[in-house]
Amino acid sequence: GQQVMQIPQYQHVQEGEDFTTYCNSSTTLSNIQWYKQRPGGHPVFLIQLVKSGEVKKQKRLTFQFGEAKKNSSLHITATQTTDVGTYFCAGPGSNDYKLSFGAGTTVTVRA
Amino acid sequence: GAGVSQTPSNKVTEKGKYVELRCDPISGHTALYWYRQSLGQGPEFLIYFQGTGAADDSGLPNDRFFAVRPEGSVSTLKIQRTERGDSAVYLCASSLEGGGLQETQYFGPGTRLLVL
Repeated sequence: GQQVMQIPQYQHVQEGEDFTTYCNSSTTLSNIQWYKQRPGGHPVFLIQLVKSGEVKKQKRLTFQFGEAKKNSSLHITATQTTDVGTYFCAGPGSNDYKLSFGAGTTVTVRA
Repeated sequence: GAGVSQTPSNKVTEKGKYVELRCDPISGHTALYWYRQSLGQGPEFLIYFQGTGAADDSGLPNDRFFAVRPEGSVSTLKIQRTERGDSAVYLCASSLEGGGLQETQYFGPGTRLLVL
């Protein structure tokens, strides 16, 4: 079945620096979604990408969907302490409603 | 309601006991999902309801797990003869219609289950 892999598993960032986390699928995805989970919290929807090569921005966050629709990235510029948490990508599984989550990238920020 | 709510927020039980976890989805959402999240992992799909019926229960790990949604709103996840390996956070999510390509799933705060 479809699997979504994320790298890196952990990202320790100096406040103010940029970083990128990557999501790769073994199969072509109809869409990909990104979620953020704060420590002790629940996944909160950030964005959905549908089109090949699509790029969307949310303030300091830039999301990209690969041309082949098998990979995606999240780039955060000028990292802040509020960016702490785990970022998950999720693609539809065997059916569009069944989200298949990656293991997440856990981000910590040093001031 | 304003968002998906789940009760209890925490549940501690002993091995072999029966537990029920409740989910109250966003008002008007016909689709409801249960996921299980183990430490350090992403949520793992358990079951999907479209209205009152379980459209897909392929993620339930075994027959000790069962879920209902009798009136198409509140759902209850039931676990019989709990085992220590059932310890996890059980997340509920809802979406407006379900089954579509661009549906956003809204997650509840989860129930943290600990089986001793």
